[in-house]
Amino acid sequence: DAGVIQSPRHEVTEMGQEVTLRCKPISGHDYLFWYRQTMMRGLELLIYFNNNVPIDDSGMPEDRFSAKMPNASFSTLKIQPSEPRDSAVYFCASSLGAHSPLHFGNGTRLTVT
Amino acid sequence: GENVEQHPSTLSVQEGDSAVIKCTYSDSASNYFPWYKQELGKRPQLIIDIRSNVGEKKDQRIAVTLNKTAKHFSLHITETQPEDSAVYFCAAPTGFQKLVFGTGTRLLVSP
Repeated sequence: DAGVIQSPRHEVTEMGQEVTLRCKPISGHDYLFWYRQTMMRGLELLIYFNNNVPIDDSGMPEDRFSAKMPNASFSTLKIQPSEPRDSAVYFCASSLGAHSPLHFGNGTRLTVT
Repeated sequence: GENVEQHPSTLSVQEGDSAVIKCTYSDSASNYFPWYKQELGKRPQLIIDIRSNVGEKKDQRIAVTLNKTAKHFSLHITETQPEDSAVYFCAAPTGFQKLVFGTGTRLLVSP
């Protein structure tokens, strides 16, 4: 299995632009998570899905952030409009069942100037 | 919700020494405690996990101990090697599947 696949690996954009991050979970995994990692705040859970349904989005910082999972093999995290404080590494992870190991993608390093 | 505290934030040891990282959690219902290793510029990867029906689990040079009464769990690395240098994160669940991560411990193993 190729593991969790994220794209792009790096994204540099200007403040105010829309950013879309993409994730393909491991086939058969029914949980998908979006995490954000910064030096100041560590690894923060933004939102997670179970069987394509958003379960908990309490970590989404603002209405500028939205996430979708239209099918079992694809999810997006969108930031519109982006701001410099959104600069971080965004990880997608998937797992097979509850209380199972998380498998992380390689992350997307977002820089908003 | 769950609150996970991790100590120390940095740990420097000589090659061959042991390293211990400790975490405390607040949600007494938590029953799954994983540890992740993150090398510089890489993704976090699971190295060991423990469930609340056991007090200790070992895998070669790494072990995890759990004290549910005190609500803390620890990672033990023996015979450390330079390739063990990384950031280590503990985590505990809140609710059904929401994992909350500790703030991380930067381990440096000097040859």
